[in-house]
Amino acid sequence: AQTVTQSQPEMSVQEAETVTLSCTYDTSENNYYLFWYKQPPSRQMILVIRQEAYKQQNATENRFSVNFQKAAKSFSLKISDSQLGDTAMYFCAFIQPGTYKYIFGTGTRLKVLA
Amino acid sequence: SQTIHQWPATLVQPVGSPLSLECTVEGTSNPNLYWYRQAAGRGLQLLFYSVGIGQISSEVPQNLSASRPQDRQFILSSKKLLLSDSGFYLCAWDRADGEKLFFGSGTQLSVL
Repeated sequence: AQTVTQSQPEMSVQEAETVTLSCTYDTSENNYYLFWYKQPPSRQMILVIRQEAYKQQNATENRFSVNFQKAAKSFSLKISDSQLGDTAMYFCAFIQPGTYKYIFGTGTRLKVLA
Repeated sequence: SQTIHQWPATLVQPVGSPLSLECTVEGTSNPNLYWYRQAAGRGLQLLFYSVGIGQISSEVPQNLSASRPQDRQFILSSKKLLLSDSGFYLCAWDRADGEKLFFGSGTQLSVL
């Protein structure tokens, strides 16, 4: 069965600094998608970034970028120039197309310090 | 543009009472629909998903059931709530699985 592991329950970073959140996953499939979702205190789940496994190029969205290492089954999120509004719970997620089962990690609580 | 509505935002129910949470999607047709539960300090657990009207797949044996009476309506129900049913329930949709999952604002359910 596919699993998603986030080994950092909590992290903190100074405003304007860079932070990296870790995520590993386990699958025997070759075609899948990976996501990072943000859940701020409002609890609204917001898509941060999406990566297609068949693409070697790492996805980027403004200050957010990923380091996708397919062989290592690693999918880390880098947040550059951290802002107070980045304070949130971050979830890594995986899905194999055709299964309709998005699998989420347990989350990393990120606090950006002023 | 597409929007997803989920209500109520909070709900306090006694043990043994029934439950009905509703979710509707606007601005798209034939979406895949999902119910997730988020326990305190934990990740999201998939409860049900639906790929069409009347088609429900259950992921976890439990006290809950789901129904999809209309294309863009997804309902989570229980006949008798248990204490363990407390949690934060999220409805979500996508056009095709793996594309993007869009979430509702969630319902905080407390069973007392």
